[in-house]
Amino acid sequence: SQTIHQWPATLVQPVGSPLSLECTVEGTSNPNLYWYRQAAGRGLQLLFYSVGIGQISSEVPQNLSASRPQDRQFILSSKKLLLSDSGFYLCAWSTGVVNSPLHFGNGTRLTVT
Amino acid sequence: KNQVEQSPQSLIILEGKNCTLQCNYTVSPFSNLRWYKQDTGRGPVSLTIMTFSENTKSNGRYTATLDADTKQSSLHITASQLSDSASYICVVCPRGGGADGLTFGKGTHLIIQP
Repeated sequence: SQTIHQWPATLVQPVGSPLSLECTVEGTSNPNLYWYRQAAGRGLQLLFYSVGIGQISSEVPQNLSASRPQDRQFILSSKKLLLSDSGFYLCAWSTGVVNSPLHFGNGTRLTVT
Repeated sequence: KNQVEQSPQSLIILEGKNCTLQCNYTVSPFSNLRWYKQDTGRGPVSLTIMTFSENTKSNGRYTATLDADTKQSSLHITASQLSDSASYICVVCPRGGGADGLTFGKGTHLIIQP
C-alpha cells in the first residue's frame, strides 16, 4: 500500500533562518506531488506541485522554493524565513488520473519567531 | 473567481445524533466534488469523491449529496461518534483541471460531545 511521510512534525525557527521540509512517498511510482499551506481559518493554499523529477510549478510568489530530486521525494525550502511563513504545511500526492483522490501527509507545524 | 463556501463554520452536537454540513460553490463547470475529514494536527483524509453526474455517495456513516444545478453539496453524518470530531473540508475540482486546480473551502469544525 502507498504511504506518505512528512517531517519534521513540528518546527520552531527564528526569522531569517533557512528551512527544509521533506516529504517522501512509498508504494507508488511517478506520483504527482504537492505542497500546501493551511493558515488558521483559511482553506488550503497550493504552493507548489510537480508532475515529475525536476519539474516544479509555483502557484504563489513567495520566498519559498521546492525541489524534486528523486521520483518520490519532494522538498520545500527557504533561504530566509519570514514571520508570515508560519503555518501548517502539508505534502500530498496523487496518481494524476482524473477524479483520483489527493493523499495527504500529517503535516509540519512551522512557527517562525 | 472560484469559491467554495461551507456552513456552519462550527457545530457542536451530542454523541449519537445526526448532522448535516453544507457546501456551496461557484466553480463551473466542474469535474468532481470531494469531502475530506481532518483531525486536529493531522492531514486531511478523503471521505468521498463525486463526479458532476453523481447525486449521492456513501462511505459508512457518511453520506454526501450533490445538486449540480444549484451548486450545493451536503455531508450527512449518521449516529455520530466521538471520533467524528474533526474539521470537514469541501473541495471542488474544475473540469479539465487536475489536483493543482482544486478550490478548498475553509471547513466546518465539528465537535461531538458525550
